[in-house]
Amino acid sequence: DAKTTQPTSMDCAEGRAANLPCNHSTISGNEYVYWYRQIHSQGPQYIIHGLKNNETNEMASLIITEDRKSSTLILPHATLRDTAVYYCIVRRTGANSKLTFGKGITLSVRP
Amino acid sequence: NAGVTQTPKFRVLKTGQSMTLLCAQDMNHEYMYWYRQDPGMGLRLIHYSVGEGTTAKGEVPDGYNVSRLKKQNFLLGLESAAPSQTSVYFCASSYGGINGYTFGSGTRLTVV
Repeated sequence: DAKTTQPTSMDCAEGRAANLPCNHSTISGNEYVYWYRQIHSQGPQYIIHGLKNNETNEMASLIITEDRKSSTLILPHATLRDTAVYYCIVRRTGANSKLTFGKGITLSVRP
Repeated sequence: NAGVTQTPKFRVLKTGQSMTLLCAQDMNHEYMYWYRQDPGMGLRLIHYSVGEGTTAKGEVPDGYNVSRLKKQNFLLGLESAAPSQTSVYFCASSYGGINGYTFGSGTRLTVV
């Protein structure tokens, strides 16, 4: 599976949009981009995934560049409860394909 | 709908003792996984299962055994615990394919 690169940390003000970047320049055509988050001491939580089209759900939006070498997770109105470590993961489908977690990006939402 | 339930939530073991961590899911998921998380290391896959009766090794399988006798349960065993196995253990399950994983709340294990 392709490797991802994320900044170590970032912060944003409560109520503002949080834009979390991710680089995956070696992504293959059959690999999806997944985002998970982990709030302190809890299990990781699935947020969203996409292949090449932009995706939106009740939690966030995922913007994937046309060349698929990078993506951005957007939390449209960040709250204090969004403070967490966010993981960008590239994964192909298939029975033996697993999620491989990196160190993620720590998002701190300030009041 | 409980999702993924892990028991116990906390445990302290002495070196050399054995124990079994239980993961149960009620979503009829085919795939199940065991991860461990250590400070500064992120989550690492220990073992996984792609269906009832199947198991496979992940990234860090040494010192652990698993069993998937029932579709809804995935057991992680430590035969002879070592201090290096002090960690937080997370179980996850999935339908497979492109579906996301659902994680449990974790088991915090300390080996002294």
